[in-house]
Amino acid sequence: GQNIDQPTEMTATEGAIVQINCTYQTSGFNGLFWYQQHAGEAPTFLSYNVLDGLEEKGRFSSFLSRSKGYSYLLLKELQMKDSASYLCAVRDSGGYQKVTFGTGTKLQVIP
Amino acid sequence: ETGVTQTPRHLVMGMTNKKSLKCEQHLGHNAMYWYKQSAKKPLELMFVYNFKEQTENNSVPSRFSPECPNSSHLFLHLHTLQPEDSALYLCASSQGDLPGETQYFGPGTRLLVL
Repeated sequence: GQNIDQPTEMTATEGAIVQINCTYQTSGFNGLFWYQQHAGEAPTFLSYNVLDGLEEKGRFSSFLSRSKGYSYLLLKELQMKDSASYLCAVRDSGGYQKVTFGTGTKLQVIP
Repeated sequence: ETGVTQTPRHLVMGMTNKKSLKCEQHLGHNAMYWYKQSAKKPLELMFVYNFKEQTENNSVPSRFSPECPNSSHLFLHLHTLQPEDSALYLCASSQGDLPGETQYFGPGTRLLVL
């Protein structure tokens, strides 16, 4: 089975940097996703990591360490619109379709 | 706009009602999914269809019945639901056969069972 842990809530200041951590314990591993979900809206894809290291995409970066079962999402130059829930999700080795989600981290950006 | 649409967006039903949720994807994908999202709980995978065949049923009660008539459409038929079934029901689609593929979500149907 899969167990995914991430903090429930975080608060950060506009213009700052915030790091959202995710740890996972899985029976297999075939990639880790980060999704952003604004209140009342659908989750939207942010990043995908399958190899160790950092993937950078504009203001957002995602890091993976498979040996530690650990990932983080780094948000730079925070904007008010970044207030949302950030979902960590792991694909196990059972197939491309089966993805298990964490409970999400609700980020509040304050002025 | 992700290319995945869901109707209705909101639904209130009694425990004896029968209703259906509809999902349509305009992305040419081959895999479609139903997820349940309850407050303070992770997204729970319910069903997966790949090339119109059901490949995953995550121990979902029989009062939820999926139907996938073609690769673009997915339904979730609801019958004799319980109040604890109140949640946001999300549909998603993906290519279906790629290692790095992403799931694209619809806006969801907010369901309230009275």
